Parts: sequence; C-alpha cells; structure tokens
Amino acid sequence: AQSVTQLGSHVSVSEGALVLLRCNYSSSVPPYLFWYVQYPNQGLQLLLKYTSAATLVKGINGFEAEFKKSETSFHLTKPSAHMSDAAEYFCAVSDQTGTASKLTFGTGTRLQVTL
Amino acid sequence: GAGVSQSPSNKVTEKGKDVELRCDPISGHTALYWYRQSLGQGLEFLIYFQGNSAPDKSGLPSDRFSAERTGGSVSTLTIQRTQQEDSAVYLCASSLTRNQPQHFGDGTRLSIL
Repeated sequence: AQSVTQLGSHVSVSEGALVLLRCNYSSSVPPYLFWYVQYPNQGLQLLLKYTSAATLVKGINGFEAEFKKSETSFHLTKPSAHMSDAAEYFCAVSDQTGTASKLTFGTGTRLQVTL
Repeated sequence: GAGVSQSPSNKVTEKGKDVELRCDPISGHTALYWYRQSLGQGLEFLIYFQGNSAPDKSGLPSDRFSAERTGGSVSTLTIQRTQQEDSAVYLCASSLTRNQPQHFGDGTRLSIL
C-alpha cells in the first residue's frame, strides 16, 4: 500500500520568503509523485510531477521539488512567496507498476502568505 | 471545452434521495477517475475507468455508489438513498492514458439535508 504524509496542515510565510511544504511517502514499488494546488471552490491543478527521470523537478509558478529516495521525501519549495500562492497544496503518490495509477493524497497543507 | 467539466456545480438534496453527478473528460483522454473530498476523510479515490476495460471500483464506499462511462467519454456517478455522510465535493479527473498526469474538474459540491 502507498501513503503520503504532509507535515504541517498550515504554513504561514511572508511575501518574498522561502516556501517549504513537506511531503514524505511510503511505497513498496517505485512511485510517481505529484504536487497539486487547490484554490477555493476549484479543482486541483497539477504543479509538478516526478516520474523517475530527474530528481529535481521544476513546475509551474516557480515551484520545484526534489525526490530524495534515501529520505522518502518530495518536499515542495519556492524561493520567493507571492500573495497569489495562498492556497491548499496536496502531495500525492501513484503506483508506477499498478494498472490503475489512482492517486493517494496527503491531507493537504494550507499556505498563507502575509504582507 | 478544454478542461474537465462537471455538473452540477452544486447539488442539495434530501436524505434518502438518489443523485447523479456528471463528468465530461478532456477529449481524447482514455482514463477517467472519480474522487471524493470531505473534511473528515480528505481526498479519497472512488473509481477508475480505462478505455473498455472493467472499471476499478475498489474505492467505492458502499453498494449505494455506482458509476458508468458511456462510449468511453462522459461518466455518471450515482449515489442511491443518500445519507448525510455522503456530503462532500466529488471530483472527476481524466488523463491521456494511465500513469499520465490527471487533470481535475472543479467538482460537484453535494449537500445532503
């Protein structure tokens, strides 16, 4: 079985500060890993994905994440937060070898950006 | 349209009624997924369709839940004899094939009175 743990249900940063959202995964098979963002009353938008190529993955809106197998982590970072980054962020894992590729999500981290 | 379309965007119904939720995936996407998002349970997988293969129903919480996908395109999620715990946002996603990134619709917010 696969699982994802997101540390910190709420994170608050100042505008211009570093954003770091933590995600640790558990998987018995090589995983695919994803970060999604959700704005109020909207669906989930894909930020970036790891699919066993480069371990440092760059996504949209200046976000990036690094896959670290030794730490079973896939933390999301952005060098400088913007007010428009305020949203809920979900880390997700899927099974590369399974037939379904359904996503298993973390519980989400709500990012607040203050002036 | 360019994205995944879900209807209705909001649905309020009385306990015990049946509801149907609709999903129009992105044209050409062969994989279609339903998820449920609720305060207590977070985001949960419900069911998955891939082409003409038998659907993966492993996430459906009870036999009151069913889904179909006609012609490999539009999908309908049906909940029979709704209960208050069914209140949630139901999200549909599609992907080009399995293991490709999933694109989500804006969801249907279901409220059971």
